[in-house]
Amino acid sequence: KAGVTQTPRYLIKTRGQQVTLSCSPISGHRSVSWYQQTPGQGLQFLFEYFSETQRNKGNFPGRFSGRQFSNSRSEMNVSTLELGDSALYLCASSLLLTATYGYTFGSGTRLTVV
Amino acid sequence: AQTVTQSQPEMSVQEAETVTLSCTYDTSESDYYLFWYKQPPSRQMILVIRQEAYKQQNATENRFSVNFQKAAKSFSLKISDSQLGDAAMYFCAYRSENTGNQFYFGTGTSLTVIP
Repeated sequence: KAGVTQTPRYLIKTRGQQVTLSCSPISGHRSVSWYQQTPGQGLQFLFEYFSETQRNKGNFPGRFSGRQFSNSRSEMNVSTLELGDSALYLCASSLLLTATYGYTFGSGTRLTVV
Repeated sequence: AQTVTQSQPEMSVQEAETVTLSCTYDTSESDYYLFWYKQPPSRQMILVIRQEAYKQQNATENRFSVNFQKAAKSFSLKISDSQLGDAAMYFCAYRSENTGNQFYFGTGTSLTVIP
């Protein structure tokens, strides 16, 4: 059974550009959540999707957006990149509507903004 | 918002010894779930152990066990017979029905295992 797959693994972008990150959850998992991990702020919740609907959103500016497709794959987009957006972006999926048994995480996308 | 505090940024342990990582949290809810996740250099967060707040019995998974003190809002992780492969960042996390699928994570403890 394949795990949570995130692509690309590494990404370097220039300030002002936009970026799209992809996440394929474990087969059968319909809930996908995104987290930003930085040394200073730790792990912060970005948003959560279930059955193509955003169910919850963290405290991030509107430059951060996401979506989920009918096959449960999810993408997140960051527009007008800032240096402070450099981070590890982690995607996590769960089988149930609520992650009572925890998430399964991917290995993340390391985004560097220069 | 709920807060999760890990007061030990770094810990070290001799191989085969026991180490305890601390975690406290702040909540006004009575029903919630607590987790310990491990993040090795590969970056993937791996679930180590899970505790349901309504269960008084401490969770155990092989060499990993927790000491859950609900009144004190404390949730420490004990690793017995430490192995080199246990070296990683360890994150404590909180989730409740009111937070949906949003987890609140602590800032992590970096564990070094000394051969």
